[in-house]
Amino acid sequence: DVKVTQSSRYLVKRTGEKVFLECVQDMDHENMFWYRQDPGLGLRLIYFSYDVKMKEKGDIPEGYSVSREKKERFSLILESASTNQTSMYLCASSRARRDTEAFFGQGTRLTVV
Amino acid sequence: GQQVMQIPQYQHVQEGEDFTTYCNSSTTLSNIQWYKQRPGGHPVFLIQLVKSGEVKKQKRLTFQFGEAKKNSSLHITATQTTDVGTYFCAGGSGAGSYQLTFGKGTKLSVIP
Repeated sequence: DVKVTQSSRYLVKRTGEKVFLECVQDMDHENMFWYRQDPGLGLRLIYFSYDVKMKEKGDIPEGYSVSREKKERFSLILESASTNQTSMYLCASSRARRDTEAFFGQGTRLTVV
Repeated sequence: GQQVMQIPQYQHVQEGEDFTTYCNSSTTLSNIQWYKQRPGGHPVFLIQLVKSGEVKKQKRLTFQFGEAKKNSSLHITATQTTDVGTYFCAGGSGAGSYQLTFGKGTKLSVIP
């Protein structure tokens, strides 16, 4: 059974803190993605990676960075958390083809206070 | 950049009624995918359409891809309470990119 696992289900951080969201997949997928989901705005792509150490900006990369040192792990970093980054964060992975489905993790609900 | 519009944003139906959500892209798509997210859950892949004019069925769900590959629809016949959730379409540009652009989703409520 395919699995995308996010390190935390719920997270509360203070403004200005550096925050790490971790995602691990066990399907040997080349592509990994980070989305944020907000009511009425759907899923918006933050960053994605199509190979180890490779990354590309999505639609809303400002305030975020990513790291992919190993194929199975993709980290999202909030360098200095702000309240407007309170959101649901979803990680996903897919095979290295354009016509392939994405598998999502269970999501991390981040609250920045 | 590519934009994918999805309507309606919300739909409330009586159990047994039909439901349709529509997806329109500003550009021609290489493929379109549909996902379902149950309340409190994460998006789960339902289906992918690739060919112009393609129609696929999954039990009570019918998916269509427009002739111009710029629009798509999901139709549910005789809704059940298990159909509750948010349905997202996601378009692939095919321009050498693996990126999917998601619509904002249609939240379906089914009244028993």
